[in-house]
Amino acid sequence: DSGVTQTPKHLITATGQRVTLRCSPRSGDLSVYWYQQSLDQGLQFLIQYYNGEERAKGNILERFSAQQFPDLHSELNLSSLELGDSALYFCASSVVDGGGYTFGSGTRLTVV
Amino acid sequence: ILNVEQSPQSLHVQEGDSTNFTCSFPSSNFYALHWYRWETAKSPEALFVMTLNGDEKKKGRISATLNTKEGYSYLYIKGSQPEDSATYLCAFYTDKLIFGTGTRLQVFP
Repeated sequence: DSGVTQTPKHLITATGQRVTLRCSPRSGDLSVYWYQQSLDQGLQFLIQYYNGEERAKGNILERFSAQQFPDLHSELNLSSLELGDSALYFCASSVVDGGGYTFGSGTRLTVV
Repeated sequence: ILNVEQSPQSLHVQEGDSTNFTCSFPSSNFYALHWYRWETAKSPEALFVMTLNGDEKKKGRISATLNTKEGYSYLYIKGSQPEDSATYLCAFYTDKLIFGTGTRLQVFP
């Protein structure tokens, strides 16, 4: 157990639907990062939150949004889902920017 | 667009062989270079975070070097074992951590 908890582990949903992925960072870590890994692609950075505030943004689609709550857990909301959104979504956390990341076990999203 | 290149894409070696991989990254606006190990069906695990030009880090049989001026880092594994089989990712940090696509290592007994 890395200390970063992601739920659910698996999610199957239909096109056009909306889902929420949840992440609890390792105790003491203020930064949360979301990454997407699609088939045959590397880890693509989506967004970072630090202590509740958005810190950096990657190629995150407008249909996707995220937030970090006062207890530091984070949620990634994916709406108007398309088949191409099927991927493994990882959350990671770190103590400081630039420090080593601790990854959760990921949420596998399948859009049918 | 920040590009992090890793080579080779994959590598098959015999148990006991030593091996090394390359990571190339932009030499400007450098802040840190990370190496991660990613075993199948698990999540990436941090190996090293390197920040200074000339840095050398070691963890057991695995070591890494860093050249920020020319924009490359090497990861070495001495005496590879089957349990070293994994994908090794490097990642370049400026204001966000950008990952390369990894080198997939398979060590045969």
